[in-house]
Amino acid sequence: DQQVKQNSPSLSVQEGRISILNCDYTNSMFDYFLWYKKYPAEGPTFLISISSIKDKNEDGRFTVFLNKSAKHLSLHIVPSQPGDSAVYFCAASGRHNAGNMLTFGGGTRLMVKP
Amino acid sequence: KAGVTQTPRYLIKTRGQQVTLSCSPISGHRSVSWYQQTPGQGLQFLFEYFSETQRNKGNFPGRFSGRQFSNSRSEMNVSTLELGDSALYLCASSKDSVSYEQYFGPGTRLTVT
Repeated sequence: DQQVKQNSPSLSVQEGRISILNCDYTNSMFDYFLWYKKYPAEGPTFLISISSIKDKNEDGRFTVFLNKSAKHLSLHIVPSQPGDSAVYFCAASGRHNAGNMLTFGGGTRLMVKP
Repeated sequence: KAGVTQTPRYLIKTRGQQVTLSCSPISGHRSVSWYQQTPGQGLQFLFEYFSETQRNKGNFPGRFSGRQFSNSRSEMNVSTLELGDSALYLCASSKDSVSYEQYFGPGTRLTVT
Protein backbone atom coordinates (compact mmCIF):
# COMPACT_ATOMS: atom_id res chain seq x y z
CA ASP A 1 0.00 0.00 0.00
CA GLN A 2 1.74 3.15 -1.27
CA GLN A 3 0.83 5.94 1.11
CA VAL A 4 2.73 8.65 -0.79
CA LYS A 5 2.59 8.76 -4.57
CA GLN A 6 4.27 10.80 -7.23
CA ASN A 7 2.38 9.90 -10.37
CA SER A 8 4.71 11.59 -12.85
CA PRO A 9 7.99 9.70 -13.16
CA SER A 10 9.51 12.49 -15.23
CA LEU A 11 9.02 16.12 -16.18
CA SER A 12 10.80 18.24 -18.78
CA VAL A 13 10.79 22.03 -18.54
CA GLN A 14 12.49 24.87 -20.39
CA GLU A 15 14.98 27.00 -18.45
CA GLY A 16 13.31 30.07 -16.94
CA ARG A 17 9.84 28.51 -16.88
CA ILE A 18 7.97 27.12 -13.90
CA SER A 19 8.39 23.49 -12.81
CA ILE A 20 5.46 21.97 -10.94
CA LEU A 21 5.97 18.63 -9.21
CA ASN A 22 3.01 16.88 -7.67
CA CYS A 23 2.51 14.46 -4.81
CA ASP A 24 -0.56 12.71 -3.37
CA TYR A 25 -0.94 10.96 -0.06
CA THR A 26 -3.56 8.67 1.42
CA ASN A 27 -2.84 8.61 5.14
CA SER A 28 -4.77 11.40 6.87
CA MET A 29 -2.50 11.05 9.90
CA PHE A 30 0.39 12.67 8.03
CA ASP A 31 0.88 16.21 9.29
CA TYR A 32 4.28 17.20 7.96
CA PHE A 33 5.52 17.11 4.40
CA LEU A 34 8.95 17.57 2.88
CA TRP A 35 10.59 17.79 -0.51
CA TYR A 36 14.04 16.42 -1.22
CA LYS A 37 16.24 16.69 -4.28
CA LYS A 38 18.59 13.90 -5.24
CA TYR A 39 21.49 13.70 -7.66
CA PRO A 40 22.87 10.32 -8.74
CA ALA A 41 25.29 8.72 -6.27
CA GLU A 42 24.44 11.29 -3.58
CA GLY A 43 22.05 11.33 -0.66
CA PRO A 44 18.82 13.34 -0.85
CA THR A 45 19.14 17.05 -0.03
CA PHE A 46 16.39 18.69 2.02
CA LEU A 47 14.68 21.49 0.08
CA ILE A 48 11.57 22.72 1.81
CA SER A 49 8.86 21.51 4.16
CA ILE A 50 5.34 22.38 5.24
CA SER A 51 3.25 21.65 8.27
CA SER A 52 -0.39 20.67 7.86
CA ILE A 53 -1.46 23.85 9.66
CA LYS A 54 -0.26 25.85 6.65
CA ASP A 55 -1.25 25.75 3.00
CA LYS A 56 1.83 27.41 1.55
CA ASN A 57 5.51 27.77 2.37
CA GLU A 58 8.02 29.70 0.30
CA ASP A 59 11.81 29.69 0.24
CA GLY A 60 13.46 31.59 -2.57
CA ARG A 61 12.62 29.95 -5.88
CA PHE A 62 10.83 27.07 -4.16
CA THR A 63 7.22 27.10 -2.98
CA VAL A 64 5.28 24.18 -1.58
CA PHE A 65 1.49 24.16 -1.61
CA LEU A 66 -0.62 21.83 0.52
CA ASN A 67 -4.27 20.99 -0.14
CA LYS A 68 -5.35 18.90 2.83
CA SER A 69 -8.85 18.20 1.60
CA ALA A 70 -7.45 16.74 -1.61
CA LYS A 71 -4.48 15.13 0.18
CA HIS A 72 -2.25 16.75 -2.41
CA LEU A 73 0.90 18.80 -2.33
CA SER A 74 2.97 20.40 -5.04
CA LEU A 75 6.40 21.95 -5.37
CA HIS A 76 6.80 24.98 -7.63
CA ILE A 77 10.24 26.01 -8.86
CA VAL A 78 10.38 29.46 -10.44
CA PRO A 79 12.39 30.16 -12.48
CA SER A 80 13.73 26.72 -13.31
CA GLN A 81 17.46 26.41 -13.87
CA PRO A 82 19.51 23.62 -15.50
CA GLY A 83 21.09 22.90 -12.11
CA ASP A 84 17.64 21.95 -10.84
CA SER A 85 17.76 18.82 -12.99
CA ALA A 86 17.57 15.97 -10.49
CA VAL A 87 15.12 13.50 -8.98
CA TYR A 88 12.66 15.09 -6.55
CA PHE A 89 11.07 13.11 -3.74
CA CYS A 90 8.18 14.15 -1.58
CA ALA A 91 8.03 12.67 1.90
CA ALA A 92 5.52 12.65 4.72
CA SER A 93 5.50 12.06 8.42
CA GLY A 94 3.20 12.42 11.37
CA ARG A 95 2.78 12.20 15.11
CA HIS A 96 1.24 8.75 14.71
CA ASN A 97 4.76 7.49 14.05
CA ALA A 98 6.76 6.76 17.17
CA GLY A 99 9.75 8.71 15.99
CA ASN A 100 11.21 10.50 13.01
CA MET A 101 10.12 8.26 10.18
CA LEU A 102 9.61 9.52 6.65
CA THR A 103 7.47 7.84 4.02
CA PHE A 104 8.70 8.69 0.54
CA GLY A 105 7.03 8.89 -2.84
CA GLY A 106 8.63 7.18 -5.83
CA GLY A 107 10.28 10.35 -7.14
CA THR A 108 9.95 12.56 -10.23
CA ARG A 109 12.92 13.13 -12.52
CA LEU A 110 13.04 16.80 -13.51
CA MET A 111 14.97 17.82 -16.59
CA VAL A 112 15.47 21.53 -17.17
CA LYS A 113 16.58 22.26 -20.72
CA PRO A 114 18.78 25.28 -21.46
CA LYS B 1 29.25 22.21 10.28
CA ALA B 2 30.15 18.82 8.85
CA GLY B 3 27.34 16.83 7.28
CA VAL B 4 26.32 13.24 7.77
CA THR B 5 29.15 10.86 6.92
CA GLN B 6 28.84 7.23 5.96
CA THR B 7 31.49 4.58 5.60
CA PRO B 8 32.31 2.76 3.48
CA ARG B 9 30.95 4.44 0.36
CA TYR B 10 31.07 1.28 -1.74
CA LEU B 11 31.06 -2.36 -0.76
CA ILE B 12 30.94 -5.66 -2.63
CA LYS B 13 29.94 -8.77 -0.71
CA THR B 14 29.03 -12.34 -1.54
CA ARG B 15 25.70 -14.00 -0.80
CA GLY B 16 25.60 -15.41 2.71
CA GLN B 17 28.12 -12.96 4.14
CA GLN B 18 27.29 -10.24 6.61
CA VAL B 19 28.03 -6.52 6.41
CA THR B 20 28.25 -3.57 8.81
CA LEU B 21 27.70 0.00 7.66
CA SER B 22 28.57 3.04 9.72
CA CYS B 23 27.02 6.48 10.04
CA SER B 24 28.14 9.62 11.88
CA PRO B 25 25.35 12.18 12.26
CA ILE B 26 25.66 15.94 12.12
CA SER B 27 27.20 17.21 15.35
CA GLY B 28 24.47 17.77 17.91
CA HIS B 29 21.94 15.59 16.14
CA ARG B 30 20.64 12.76 18.28
CA SER B 31 18.28 10.93 15.94
CA VAL B 32 19.62 8.63 13.23
CA SER B 33 17.47 6.89 10.63
CA TRP B 34 18.39 4.37 7.98
CA TYR B 35 16.78 3.95 4.56
CA GLN B 36 17.25 1.54 1.68
CA GLN B 37 16.96 2.75 -1.89
CA THR B 38 16.44 0.30 -4.75
CA PRO B 39 15.18 0.91 -8.30
CA GLY B 40 12.12 -1.25 -7.71
CA GLN B 41 11.05 -0.22 -4.21
CA GLY B 42 12.27 3.36 -3.99
CA LEU B 43 13.30 4.81 -0.64
CA GLN B 44 12.17 2.63 2.23
CA PHE B 45 12.53 3.24 5.94
CA LEU B 46 14.58 0.65 7.82
CA PHE B 47 14.77 1.91 11.41
CA GLU B 48 15.38 4.95 13.57
CA TYR B 49 17.42 5.40 16.73
CA PHE B 50 17.26 8.11 19.34
CA SER B 51 19.36 8.10 22.50
CA GLU B 52 20.57 4.58 21.75
CA THR B 53 16.98 3.25 21.55
CA GLN B 54 15.27 1.96 18.44
CA ARG B 55 12.00 3.88 18.20
CA ASN B 56 10.67 2.69 14.89
CA LYS B 57 11.29 -0.16 12.52
CA GLY B 58 10.24 -0.59 8.91
CA ASN B 59 8.99 -3.72 7.24
CA PHE B 60 12.30 -5.54 6.82
CA PRO B 61 13.34 -9.02 7.93
CA GLY B 62 15.26 -9.61 11.12
CA ARG B 63 18.49 -9.95 9.13
CA PHE B 64 18.56 -6.15 9.18
CA SER B 65 19.58 -4.72 12.53
CA GLY B 66 21.17 -1.62 13.90
CA ARG B 67 22.40 0.15 16.95
CA GLN B 68 23.32 3.59 18.16
CA PHE B 69 26.18 4.53 20.41
CA SER B 70 26.30 7.10 23.18
CA ASN B 71 27.95 9.62 20.82
CA SER B 72 24.94 9.21 18.44
CA ARG B 73 26.99 7.37 15.82
CA SER B 74 25.07 4.44 14.37
CA GLU B 75 25.77 1.17 12.65
CA MET B 76 23.51 -1.12 10.69
CA ASN B 77 24.17 -4.77 10.07
CA VAL B 78 22.81 -7.12 7.46
CA SER B 79 23.41 -10.81 8.00
CA THR B 80 23.14 -13.67 5.52
CA LEU B 81 23.21 -11.34 2.55
CA GLU B 82 20.90 -11.99 -0.40
CA LEU B 83 21.17 -10.68 -3.95
CA GLY B 84 18.12 -8.52 -3.31
CA ASP B 85 19.98 -6.64 -0.58
CA SER B 86 21.98 -4.84 -3.25
CA ALA B 87 20.99 -1.22 -2.77
CA LEU B 88 22.03 2.24 -1.71
CA TYR B 89 21.82 2.46 2.09
CA LEU B 90 21.23 5.97 3.34
CA CYS B 91 21.64 7.32 6.80
CA ALA B 92 19.88 10.50 7.91
CA SER B 93 20.14 12.53 11.07
CA SER B 94 17.81 14.97 12.73
CA LYS B 95 18.23 17.20 15.69
CA ASP B 96 15.92 15.75 18.29
CA SER B 97 13.08 13.42 18.94
CA VAL B 98 10.45 15.35 17.01
CA SER B 99 12.35 16.89 14.11
CA TYR B 100 10.89 15.68 10.86
CA GLU B 101 13.58 17.40 8.81
CA GLN B 102 16.22 14.79 8.20
CA TYR B 103 19.61 15.39 6.63
CA PHE B 104 21.05 12.58 4.58
CA GLY B 105 24.55 11.27 4.09
CA PRO B 106 25.93 10.24 0.69
CA GLY B 107 25.00 6.61 1.21
CA THR B 108 26.79 3.28 1.01
CA ARG B 109 26.38 1.41 -2.26
CA LEU B 110 26.21 -2.31 -1.41
CA THR B 111 26.51 -4.86 -4.17
CA VAL B 112 25.85 -8.51 -3.35
CA THR B 113 27.17 -11.05 -5.85
